Amino acid sequence: KNEVEQSPQNLTAQEGEFITINCSYSVGISALHWLQQHPGGGIVSLFMLSSGKKKHGRLIATINIQEKHSSLHITASHPRDSAVYICAAKRGLKEGYGGSQGNLIFGKGTKLSVKP
Amino acid sequence: DTAVSQTPKYLVTQMGNDKSIKCEQNLGHDTMYWYKQDSKKFLKIMFSYNNKELIINETVPNRFSPKSPDKAHLNLHINSLELGDSAVYFCASSQGTRTNYGYTFGSGTRLTVV
Repeated sequence: KNEVEQSPQNLTAQEGEFITINCSYSVGISALHWLQQHPGGGIVSLFMLSSGKKKHGRLIATINIQEKHSSLHITASHPRDSAVYICAAKRGLKEGYGGSQGNLIFGKGTKLSVKP
Repeated sequence: DTAVSQTPKYLVTQMGNDKSIKCEQNLGHDTMYWYKQDSKKFLKIMFSYNNKELIINETVPNRFSPKSPDKAHLNLHINSLELGDSAVYFCASSQGTRTNYGYTFGSGTRLTVV
């Protein structure tokens, strides 16, 4: 089982819908990253959080450290939001081993398609 | 003025060849990374350098050799290419490793081994 699990794997939504993508992790972390990979292939960092909640435009990311769970929400979704969203956990120093302390461990991504 | 630039963007080569992928960042970051994204779009760390020093070396075949001439550059050299090396390789950088800095990714190099 992967140390970082995302759900759902695929998500199709109608324009305007509220979207939630979930991420659970089993390792100790220092931070949780949400990344967006567009169909063209480039990867953009959306959020980095270690507690609470962050908001940027229509995107909201939350994390619950005790439950080892994070969510990415998209309000008023738009076709341009169609992309793969990837959750990545940054190992905490205590959980790291050898040179892998601070390493990013990736989920398998959620492919989002927003239909007009 | 690209923050993390990789070259080439596409690379098609025959099995057994040796090839290099170059990466440069102009962000003044101390740490650079190479990630591999396989055919199922799964990303995995390969190497990380901090101030030209190797700090992460995951279980990657020793045909892969990273080289960091200075902290702004991290190149990836691959010897004796195999079909299974076909993937997209992403370079990334961050200000450091031990604090919660964000990552900036290059646009990727799609390597196809035929």
